[in-house]
Amino acid sequence: DTAVSQTPKYLVTQMGNDKSIKCEQNLGHDTMYWYKQDSKKFLKIMFSYNNKELIINETVPNRFSPKSPDKAHLNLHINSLELGDSAVYFCASSQGMYTGTSHYNEQFFGPGTRLTVL
Amino acid sequence: SQELEQSPQSLIVQEGKNLTINCTSSKTLYGLYWYKQKYGEGLIFLMMLQKGGEEKSHEKITAKLDEKKQQSSLHITASQPSHAGIYLCGADKDSSYKLIFGSGTRLLVRP
Repeated sequence: DTAVSQTPKYLVTQMGNDKSIKCEQNLGHDTMYWYKQDSKKFLKIMFSYNNKELIINETVPNRFSPKSPDKAHLNLHINSLELGDSAVYFCASSQGMYTGTSHYNEQFFGPGTRLTVL
Repeated sequence: SQELEQSPQSLIVQEGKNLTINCTSSKTLYGLYWYKQKYGEGLIFLMMLQKGGEEKSHEKITAKLDEKKQQSSLHITASQPSHAGIYLCGADKDSSYKLIFGSGTRLLVRP
């Protein structure tokens, strides 16, 4: 059984188009994330939702809009795609626990969506 | 802001050799996570360290967190081609759900 799944795995599109990436997790986690991994393999968080509520919104162009219809799904919609948006986008989920000084936030990652903008 | 630096950036070793990857933080680490990414695939969780001086092992991979909780090392014993990939360290940023990641170490193991 796939824990965190993303569709599509590959996405090739023209500049200026609008596209969406979907993510689903069957782990029962409350928190989901979107990360962007650039060509140098640097992984950076974009958004996070906890129980359908946006809790992390990094400095990301407003062309990127996440949507969480329920806590098992987090989709990413991108408007007016640009060349610089080409990257691998990873979805992740976790059931983070923070008790005093104890943190536990193991995140489970999806297989990634490789977006190429031509 | 807290940053994680990994070293080396890349590593090529002969099968059977031992190797160490380091992850250094500018601030005290609340939680340190090691992930492995196979080329073209997602991240696989390896282990998590929380306490100063903590050490964990899984098969031939051992990770340690120093007493000051600002540096972690990942050690692979008798490396195999299956160990090849990109190793990423991640850390909790304060008490938020945000993980920050190091730039990764690319490992290639030659048969």
